[in-house]
Amino acid sequence: DTAVSQTPKYLVTQMGNDKSIKCEQNLGHDTMYWYKQDSKKFLKIMFSYNNKELIINETVPNRFSPKSPDKAHLNLHINSLELGDSAVYFCASSQGQTYNSPLHFGNGTRLTVT
Amino acid sequence: DQQVKQNSPSLSVQEGRISILNCDYTNSMFDYFLWYKKYPAEGPTFLISISSIKDKNEDGRFTVFLNKSAKHLSLHIVPSQPGDSAVYFCAASAVGTGNQFYFGTGTSLTVIP
Repeated sequence: DTAVSQTPKYLVTQMGNDKSIKCEQNLGHDTMYWYKQDSKKFLKIMFSYNNKELIINETVPNRFSPKSPDKAHLNLHINSLELGDSAVYFCASSQGQTYNSPLHFGNGTRLTVT
Repeated sequence: DQQVKQNSPSLSVQEGRISILNCDYTNSMFDYFLWYKKYPAEGPTFLISISSIKDKNEDGRFTVFLNKSAKHLSLHIVPSQPGDSAVYFCAASAVGTGNQFYFGTGTSLTVIP
């Protein structure tokens, strides 16, 4: 029984396409995140949602749109994919928005844009 | 602008010896620090944390040390085991920034049997 699950695990697509990544957590957490790990292995936050409300929205192109239908799900939709979007995207969750609540990560989605 | 840095991309250690992974940070407002462990094709998993009011936290074979004046923390693994071979990320956060965590780029640890 996976705590944070995201699908698909691998996503290969062409430039200009639109794609979505889904994330679900069964930990009962109220805060969910999207992180991006680039080719330099740098993990950087993109978005965070608390109880379906957007809390953190880092400088991310507006081609990226998160959607949280409920507090257990946070999906990421990407429009007009570009080569530079190739990365590993991690979904994560935590209980609360406090600075000392460790994150629980999914296994990542490796996105390759050709 | 990378506020958390792990300057050693890789480290090899003999089984049974001590592994020491280092992490430096630049933001003096950080007051909570975490280490995550990551196996290939998996997400990072939380390992151990330390608050800035402490200088040491221990959990079994894992100990994290914090030197606030030097803005440096380290993770000690004693004794190292082959199953510890993974990438280790340090991360930091600050009160008042909600749940904004800043990660280093990771150190790949190989424990040689």
